[in-house]
Amino acid sequence: EAGVAQSPRYKIIEKRQSVAFWCNPISGHATLYWYQQILGQGPKLLIQFQNNGVVDDSQLPKDRFSAERLKGVDSTLKIQPAKLEDSAVYLCASSARLYSYNEQFFGPGTRLTVL
Amino acid sequence: RKEVEQDPGPFNVPEGATVAFNCTYSNSASQSFFWYRQDCRKEPKLLMSVYSSGNEDGRFTAQLNRASQYISLLIRDSKLSDSATYLCVVQGDSSYKLIFGSGTRLLVRP
Repeated sequence: EAGVAQSPRYKIIEKRQSVAFWCNPISGHATLYWYQQILGQGPKLLIQFQNNGVVDDSQLPKDRFSAERLKGVDSTLKIQPAKLEDSAVYLCASSARLYSYNEQFFGPGTRLTVL
Repeated sequence: RKEVEQDPGPFNVPEGATVAFNCTYSNSASQSFFWYRQDCRKEPKLLMSVYSSGNEDGRFTAQLNRASQYISLLIRDSKLSDSATYLCVVQGDSSYKLIFGSGTRLLVRP
């Protein structure tokens, strides 16, 4: 079974530029998550989708971050404009269902460096 | 106060040693608890769930103390391949959101 796919794997941009990340979850997984992991910290949830609807985006900095999952499958996360403190690994994860615990499977992440 | 707190380590132990990690959480309404493992520059992967009665998976034993809001992970007979960061994870009350600790780094030396 294919895992969670993410691209690009690495991205280097200058502050105030824009960047987008793509995620394709495990086939059939209804729930998709975007996490931000800053060096030395655990992953922090940014946004959670159930199919193509947003379940939780309480920790998403909405002035600069946006995310969508238009057809309930793959998803994009955008940062516009980027700040130095956005340097982190952006992890996408998926799970089979939402309203119970289902193991979350993580993709390899996109490592973003903002200069 | 952080929602999930862990000693960052590193814990540097010889092969064959027994090592224990602890974790505390702040939300007494938390429902589910887990340990994830994260290798250097890799994604987190579920190691094991933590049940109130305690559970064991081979060399790994997890314990939960709800009264003290404390979770532990014991690794017996450490292997070089156990070197990784161990993330304590708590699932919230009604939100089902996972809250990750900052991780405890383990280094197993020959």
